[in-house]
Amino acid sequence: KNEVEQSPQNLTAQEGEFITINCSYSVGISALHWLQQHPGGGIVSLFMLSSGKKKHGRLIATINIQEKHSSLHITASHPRDSAVYICAVRLNGNQFYFGTGTSLTVIP
Amino acid sequence: DGGITQSPKYLFRKEGQNVTLSCEQNLNHDAMYWYRQDPGQGLRLIYYSQIVNDFQKGDIAEGYSVSREKKESFPLTVTSAQKNPTAFYLCASRLTGTGEKLFFGSGTQLSVL
Repeated sequence: KNEVEQSPQNLTAQEGEFITINCSYSVGISALHWLQQHPGGGIVSLFMLSSGKKKHGRLIATINIQEKHSSLHITASHPRDSAVYICAVRLNGNQFYFGTGTSLTVIP
Repeated sequence: DGGITQSPKYLFRKEGQNVTLSCEQNLNHDAMYWYRQDPGQGLRLIYYSQIVNDFQKGDIAEGYSVSREKKESFPLTVTSAQKNPTAFYLCASRLTGTGEKLFFGSGTQLSVL
């Protein structure tokens, strides 16, 4: 049983397309994180959400606490957005649970 | 620049050998974590530490050991008891508190010779 489910697993888009990645979770959480992992393996934290919506450049993250669901949107996608996007949830305390990731490829 | 440094980037282990992965951070973070990443699976917690000289087992601690003698350092030893050690290992840290992000190192790829 995985506490965090992401969809889709793989996504290919043309440059300029609007992209949505979804994350559902089954436990009560303190916060939800969206992470980006580039080839080579390093991971960068994109957003941390506990309610509502956040925007940074072309990236938008939303969360619906009642439905236990979050989405990550990328507007005007670009080949440099190609990466694995990972959803993670933090329960009370310091432990995190991670989704399996969505592999995004943006084609020029 | 502040950050987390993992070394080495690539590591090869011979059968029966213990190997140690280094993780150092200069972010003054309290909590440090070791995760294992296998293809098609989410990151799984090996060990975490909230303060110096204290650490807790995660979901897959068997065959691994850690120490936290200094706030900045959280080395992971993969012992010979870990029969399937080939994986990508990530170290992370954060300030304890409700609003704090996770920061990750660049990872170590461990392979068995």
